[in-house]
Amino acid sequence: DAGITQSPRHKVTETGTPVTLRCHQTENHRYMYWYRQDPGHGLRLIHYSYGVKDTDKGEVSDGYSVSRSKTEDFLLTLESATSSQTSVYFCAISNRFEVGYTFGSGTRLTVV
Amino acid sequence: TQLLEQSPQFLSIQEGENLTVYCNSSSVFSSLQWYRQEPGEGPVLLVTVVTGGEVKKLKRLTFQFGDARKDSSLHITAAQTGDTGLYLCAGVRRGNEKLTFGTGTRLTIIP
Repeated sequence: DAGITQSPRHKVTETGTPVTLRCHQTENHRYMYWYRQDPGHGLRLIHYSYGVKDTDKGEVSDGYSVSRSKTEDFLLTLESATSSQTSVYFCAISNRFEVGYTFGSGTRLTVV
Repeated sequence: TQLLEQSPQFLSIQEGENLTVYCNSSSVFSSLQWYRQEPGEGPVLLVTVVTGGEVKKLKRLTFQFGDARKDSSLHITAAQTGDTGLYLCAGVRRGNEKLTFGTGTRLTIIP
């Protein structure tokens, strides 16, 4: 029981197509986050959620949208994928953000 | 400009040696966390420190939070090959619900 799962683990998509990544948790944690990790930039926050239907932007939110209709699911959508969105995407969950996050295993996305 | 700077960026040492990595900022954090990330996986939380001057030990790993809560260090004693990985510090600023991650230290332990 991983507690947090991301799907898909790998995806190759074409420029201009929409892409949705899914994060699913079984921990009933309040907070959910989407990060991207790129060489030289570390982990950067895209969007986060502090409850069902409550979301906010992170530092690199342009070109991304999110939705959280249930506590357990947090979806990240690339409206029209670009090559600059090739990255590894991580979802994280937390019940008390000041204590720490639990990360998923990541989704490696390649936009060609 | 990175809010949290880690040093060194890369470190390669022999098994059995000791090492220290640093996490520095000009901002004050209400808590600071350390994670280790292995290839192909997400970061895994090692420790959280919340009090200025706090020291926490996790087997051979010692974590310290600076008195002013602007910096932290991770000291590993008698490094083992299993310590190899990317070490990330991350801080929470008061009134902010988000973690800010450091730039990372990539540690390689040579057998």
